[in-house]
Amino acid sequence: QSALTQPPSASGSLGQPVTISCTGTSSDIGGYNYVSWYQQHPGKAPKLMIYEITKRPSGVPDRFSGSKSGNTASLTVSGLQAEDEADYYCSSYAGSNNWVFGGGTQLTVL
Amino acid sequence: QVQLQESGPGLVKPSETLSLTCAISGGSISSSIWWSWVRQPPGKGLEWIGEIYHSGSTNYNPSLKSRITISVDKSKNQFSLRLSSVTAADTAVYYCAKTRRSGSDATNAFEIWGQGTMVTVSS
Repeated sequence: QSALTQPPSASGSLGQPVTISCTGTSSDIGGYNYVSWYQQHPGKAPKLMIYEITKRPSGVPDRFSGSKSGNTASLTVSGLQAEDEADYYCSSYAGSNNWVFGGGTQLTVL
Repeated sequence: QVQLQESGPGLVKPSETLSLTCAISGGSISSSIWWSWVRQPPGKGLEWIGEIYHSGSTNYNPSLKSRITISVDKSKNQFSLRLSSVTAADTAVYYCAKTRRSGSDATNAFEIWGQGTMVTVSS
């Protein structure tokens, strides 16, 4: 299994929206509805932000949303806040009881 | 709220076996949960290592399968990772995490993570 493809970096201004993409194949993202997104601040453990493509765990701000089209999933942060500056990772079920992560995107809030 | 705490040696010699434990508090290892190990080399992305169910059923990353053993100790409410024949490429922060795959509250995601433990492979 290969890692999912994410852009290394993304940026947006305070209060503006930004979207991070995550591209896989029909064997992972395209084949299942088990895409999740994680936020990781420096030196901290990842935190679940989105699961099953679009669902938000309790406590995650509703400015975070997810979507999927074909083999590509996306995380959108609407109304960027300073605390949103972090690394973001996507993950997908890859079949045969395997899971795969993306390489990560460093989000900068301008 | 379940909490996870990794523990183990911070330094392992090349060719030896890395052994880590994840202690579970605030919940039972015998719940309908899959317990995973995920690692992150310094400055790099996340890699799923494998998972275990309380029954002992396991799933491993195919790229690491030949070197991995994940086990569960119900009496201590913890699970463990053994990674054999380590090299410098296995230097990473190792995290344990939980996933709910069944039931109305299933997430099919890594919901809760431990704080992570840094393991360096060096002589």
